[in-house]
Amino acid sequence: KNEVEQSPQNLTAQEGEFITINCSYSVGISALHWLQQHPGGGIVSLFMLSSGKKKHGRLIATINIQEKHSSLHITASHPRDSAVYICAVRSGGTSYGKLTFGQGTILTVHP
Amino acid sequence: EPEVTQTPSHQVTQMGQEVILRCVPISNHLYFYWYRQILGQKVEFLVSFYNNEISEKSEIFDDQFSVERPDGSNFTLKIRSTKLEDSAMYFCASSGGLRTGSNYGYTFGSGTRLTVV
Repeated sequence: KNEVEQSPQNLTAQEGEFITINCSYSVGISALHWLQQHPGGGIVSLFMLSSGKKKHGRLIATINIQEKHSSLHITASHPRDSAVYICAVRSGGTSYGKLTFGQGTILTVHP
Repeated sequence: EPEVTQTPSHQVTQMGQEVILRCVPISNHLYFYWYRQILGQKVEFLVSFYNNEISEKSEIFDDQFSVERPDGSNFTLKIRSTKLEDSAMYFCASSGGLRTGSNYGYTFGSGTRLTVV
């Protein structure tokens, strides 16, 4: 059974700050997902990683397979980035398999 | 961009009643999932479905739960006799058999908030 731990659990930042959210998992995986959940509850997929680094706009995700660790970075944070960020890992094949979720990081960005 | 559609967005039901939560996955996806999130807790896996049968299920997915793909487009989760502890947000998701974009198309619906009273 894979355990997924995120840190910090809560994060408060001022607009413009650089933000890092960390995720560690206990068992080898085929992929790691970073997800965003807004107050209404809907979940949006941000990244899927199996190695290296990906960038999309102000968001950067990295993964270190050997260390079983991933980070999500937000550059030049903005109040609209306020949301819950969730790390989830998958142990199935390249395009399928259940996700095991972390508990989420609540990010609040103040103007 | 293709979406996973869930209905209803909110359902209130009395304890002991049957509920059916509906999902329309992305049309070219082959793998379908149900997850739930009890308020304030992690999202938990319930069941995955492929080729018209359950491919994996969790301990939560007991005999009170069932899934069906009745017509090739809808994917439903039925709870036979709801309990208070079934109150949660239920998410449907689908993923593709072929690489579709940066996340292999793993896409979530917006959820159904089930309240059992």
